[in-house]
Amino acid sequence: GNSVTQMEGPVTLSEEAFLTINCTYTATGYLSLFWYVQYPGEGLQLLLKATKADDKGSNKGFEATYRKETTSFHLEKGSVQVSDSAVYFCALIPMDTGRRALTFGSGTRLQVQP
Amino acid sequence: EAGVAQSPRYKIIEKRQSVAFWCNPISGHATLYWYQQILGQGPKLLIQFQNNGVVDDSQLPKDRFSAERLKGVDSTLKIQPAKLEDSAVYLCASSFRGVGEKLFFGSGTQLSVL
Repeated sequence: GNSVTQMEGPVTLSEEAFLTINCTYTATGYLSLFWYVQYPGEGLQLLLKATKADDKGSNKGFEATYRKETTSFHLEKGSVQVSDSAVYFCALIPMDTGRRALTFGSGTRLQVQP
Repeated sequence: EAGVAQSPRYKIIEKRQSVAFWCNPISGHATLYWYQQILGQGPKLLIQFQNNGVVDDSQLPKDRFSAERLKGVDSTLKIQPAKLEDSAVYLCASSFRGVGEKLFFGSGTQLSVL
């Protein structure tokens, strides 16, 4: 079946540092890839998505590029803020089946220190 | 717009007891999902509804879990009898059509089985 692997956390950074959270996947066919974020005490919310190979999703300074050749969708941000502290989940949906539900990775906790 | 509403927020029960969770999706959203999120893991799909029909329940432990979505609006998820390993956060999500579209998540119900 489909699976998503994320780097283990927590990732601890100082404010304004560069962020990379690695995500790789095992799946075939036509996929859409997502990053969801869960801030403390809140529900999961969509951060960004990419719907075809080489697409770059971006939002709130975060970016991720769908790399089919390396089956990866790494999340990056050039300068993190304390408010970015949250748990980040990489996820995918196979678009060429009838069962289009998200498969999530295990999540990576980011802690940004002032 | 109002978000996805879930209740209760927390529930503590003893093993072998029964429990029910309620979800009211965003108005007009045809697709509703129940996910189980065990501590330290990513959410895992339990069941997906399209209107009041089941699209995917392949990972629902049907000997103890049941779910319904009467009239294609709100939904209940029941566990009977509960086991220790059912301790998790149960997330409800909805989307307008469910075809790779953005999911909106509720805050979840945190279940502790003692």
